Amino acid sequence: GENVEQHPSTLSVQEGDSAVIKCTYSDSASNYFPWYKQELGKGPQLIIDIRSNVGEKKDQRIAVTLNKTAKHFSLHITETQPEDSAVYFCAASINFNKFYFGSGTKLNVKP
Amino acid sequence: GAGVSQSPSNKVTEKGKDVELRCDPISGHTALYWYRQSLGQGLEFLIYFQGNSAPDKSGLPSDRFSAERTGGSVSTLTIQRTQQEDSAVYLCASTWGRDTQYFGPGTRLTVL
Repeated sequence: GENVEQHPSTLSVQEGDSAVIKCTYSDSASNYFPWYKQELGKGPQLIIDIRSNVGEKKDQRIAVTLNKTAKHFSLHITETQPEDSAVYFCAASINFNKFYFGSGTKLNVKP
Repeated sequence: GAGVSQSPSNKVTEKGKDVELRCDPISGHTALYWYRQSLGQGLEFLIYFQGNSAPDKSGLPSDRFSAERTGGSVSTLTIQRTQQEDSAVYLCASTWGRDTQYFGPGTRLTVL
């Protein structure tokens, strides 16, 4: 089955700096890659996603890039704010049948 | 447009007791997933229901765990003879099959 690895496990940045979280996947058939943000005591919430026919997608301060050849995708957050502090999860899916999650990255944005 | 709801939000039980956790998916969503999240850990897949197909139970950790989905909507996750290692947050998610998952708030289970 699919295997998703996520790095780093923890990331601390200064407010206003950029943050990058990287994930790799093993199954070249994966074609959908969502990113979730989980705040303390809540379920994960989708923040951005990308499909395999696109190389990059941006939504305000958040962007995701996908390299199908290398089988890796990354989340980029620019101009970080304290409210960006949370745990972020990447995932990979083949045709939306089962989702395989990375182990999570705890992002701490220091004011 | 209610989201995914789960009940109870918190459950404390004694070792050896059975528990039932409930998930109400978003109306119209055909697929439903259960995950377990231990403290500070990632999401561990448990079981996946898709329409009327047989569920994918490959993630259930033991035969003490079972789940059913009645009428293609509400799902119940049952843990029999609970053990302390079952303590975790149990998350439910649903999707209509061509879109991402939407998660509920989770049920925090504590086994004393």
